[in-house]
Amino acid sequence: QVKLLQSGAALVKPGASVKMSCKASGYTFTDYWVSWVKQSHGKSLEWIGEIYPNSGATNFNEKFKGKATLTVDKSTSTAYMELSRLTSEDSAIYYCTRPYYGSYDYWGQGVMVTVSS
Amino acid sequence: VQMTQSPSYLAASPGESVSISCKASKSISNNLAWYQEKPGKANKLLIHSGSTLQSGTPSRFSGSGSGTDFTLTIRSLESEDFAVYYCQQYNEYPDTFGAGTKLELK
Repeated sequence: QVKLLQSGAALVKPGASVKMSCKASGYTFTDYWVSWVKQSHGKSLEWIGEIYPNSGATNFNEKFKGKATLTVDKSTSTAYMELSRLTSEDSAIYYCTRPYYGSYDYWGQGVMVTVSS
Repeated sequence: VQMTQSPSYLAASPGESVSISCKASKSISNNLAWYQEKPGKANKLLIHSGSTLQSGTPSRFSGSGSGTDFTLTIRSLESEDFAVYYCQQYNEYPDTFGAGTKLELK
């Protein structure tokens, strides 16, 4: 069955970067985009961007351009998102998802990122 | 596209029926999905294309609407349905989500 397994929680200092992973299994990784979604504490969901593993093509929400970098490793069916120049506003749960005709049919369990000195 | 979801909180009892509204700031055709969020579980896609049940979604869930107004209805609530529900439009970039509705046990 399809699974998206994300890396563990991260505690990072302001100004630093964090890189998280999303390992896909149960389907052909290169056939589907991978999207990333942010959920700030007690708030709703924001689409960050997406990457197509087969080509490395990306699309971003303007709000996250320069903040998020998306990459993949096709050999391990793993997608990565790196967030840079972290501030308290970046403290949130980050999900990887598999787009399905615009909606998202599978979600990772989420990575909690805490930005604190 | 702004998505306005209401109510924010909803208290109901098992066996009851409830409805959740999602309004888009502009027409999104039927490009709307509904999700269920439960603690310790991955978010679950319930409905896409406004009214199409995702495989595995119980038939007591239904979605309706097009254009700007959409509704998620859950008939004969079961204990497992108490959760947070989100709508999402995918008619244009960037995708946007409603603020969520927390369905609580009365």
